Amino acid sequence: EPEVTQTPSHQVTQMGQEVILRCVPISNHLYFYWYRQILGQKVEFLVSFYNNEISEKSEIFDDQFSVERPDGSNFTLKIRSTKLEDSAMYFCASTPDTNTGELFFGEGSRLTVL
Amino acid sequence: RKEVEQDPGPFNVPEGATVAFNCTYSNSASQSFFWYRQDCRKEPKLLMSVYSSGNEDGRFTAQLNRASQYISLLIRDSKLSDSATYLCVVGSSYKLIFGSGTRLLVRP
Repeated sequence: EPEVTQTPSHQVTQMGQEVILRCVPISNHLYFYWYRQILGQKVEFLVSFYNNEISEKSEIFDDQFSVERPDGSNFTLKIRSTKLEDSAMYFCASTPDTNTGELFFGEGSRLTVL
Repeated sequence: RKEVEQDPGPFNVPEGATVAFNCTYSNSASQSFFWYRQDCRKEPKLLMSVYSSGNEDGRFTAQLNRASQYISLLIRDSKLSDSATYLCVVGSSYKLIFGSGTRLLVRP
């Protein structure tokens, strides 16, 4: 069964460092998303991406964050200068069709900022 | 008012019990409604979509009341494997908002 894959599964970084989280969405999907979940808290929307541009973003998704689809398969989330409060599980998701809306999630990348 | 609001629980029920979860949402323009399930430290997984006419999938029944901006999930004949956090998800094409989740514990 096709699945969304994310790398790395866990990354530890020092505050102020840049981090890139990578996702390979399901191949025929057209809409891509990043969500994050701070430990013990809810799943929070960060950004959605379609046709090589951001469709919507939340207040969390400030200038420190960026997304890119550098080739036909990868979808990346970059955090330019990490802060302690960026420590969270980051989930990538994709969907073929926003009418049905079902999001297929990857297993997540756990980011720990020290 | 929170965009999507759920009772956090936990709901602690015996096997075989029927349990109901509720969810309210604030944006009346919302078009898509779902229940997701999340196991501890795992990714959310779709349990079922929610339609205005109501829908059923085995032991699970979901209802949507647009006028009251209210969604419900009923689980009949609870199994131990139903223990998880149930996430109410509401939104539109490019932005689905998750509730904080309701935790269910099914005991033997």
